[in-house]
Amino acid sequence: SAVISQKPSRDICQRGTSLTIQCQVDSQVTMMFWYRQQPGQSLTLIATANQGSEATYESGFVIDKFPISRPNLTFSTLTVSNMSPEDSSIYLCSVQQGADEKLFFGSGTQLSVL
Amino acid sequence: SQKIEQNSEALNIQEGKTATLTCNYTNYSPAYLQWYRQDPGRGPVFLLLIRENEKEKRKERLKVTFDTTLKQSLFHITASQPADSATYLCALPRGAGGSYIPTFGRGTSLIVHP
Repeated sequence: SAVISQKPSRDICQRGTSLTIQCQVDSQVTMMFWYRQQPGQSLTLIATANQGSEATYESGFVIDKFPISRPNLTFSTLTVSNMSPEDSSIYLCSVQQGADEKLFFGSGTQLSVL
Repeated sequence: SQKIEQNSEALNIQEGKTATLTCNYTNYSPAYLQWYRQDPGRGPVFLLLIRENEKEKRKERLKVTFDTTLKQSLFHITASQPADSATYLCALPRGAGGSYIPTFGRGTSLIVHP
């Protein structure tokens, strides 16, 4: 099973600033996924990050707001840009690996924007 | 796109009883359905996958059923324990074409009282 280290675990940020979330996997994976989980809501996929190509964004999410890097097969970053209070949420990175198409998740980043 | 419905109200049960959680979906029948457990401040953890040609699957105290006619999955925890208290999420592949990226339900909170 994949082990994912995600940081920071939480942060409190000012409106208009940006935060970069890092995700490190203990094995090489083709795709990494970034999710957002707002209070009381389901996990919403932001984008899929492939190594060596542009990330694929879901409807409602754009690269200018959530730029993603994927420099190698074990690492990815998600930046939340020009933050507003509506961006307050938990952000999770994930990989799919092994049988049963299971997803493995990082522990999440709790973001609060003031 | 797939719509997934899980009871938004928390399920409260006494220790030792069987907990039953429901996941309903609309539209097309998925090739499989997954269940995850999420504890506060943590990412979801995969529990079980059941495929469309399987009626029931068991793992220790867990049992999952899949009724493609009713478009419903039931998740059972027998002999429940306070340590089973968590939020349980169901997930289905996103697209009818077999897209493997799971779409998640909102989750149901289970509280097991000693």
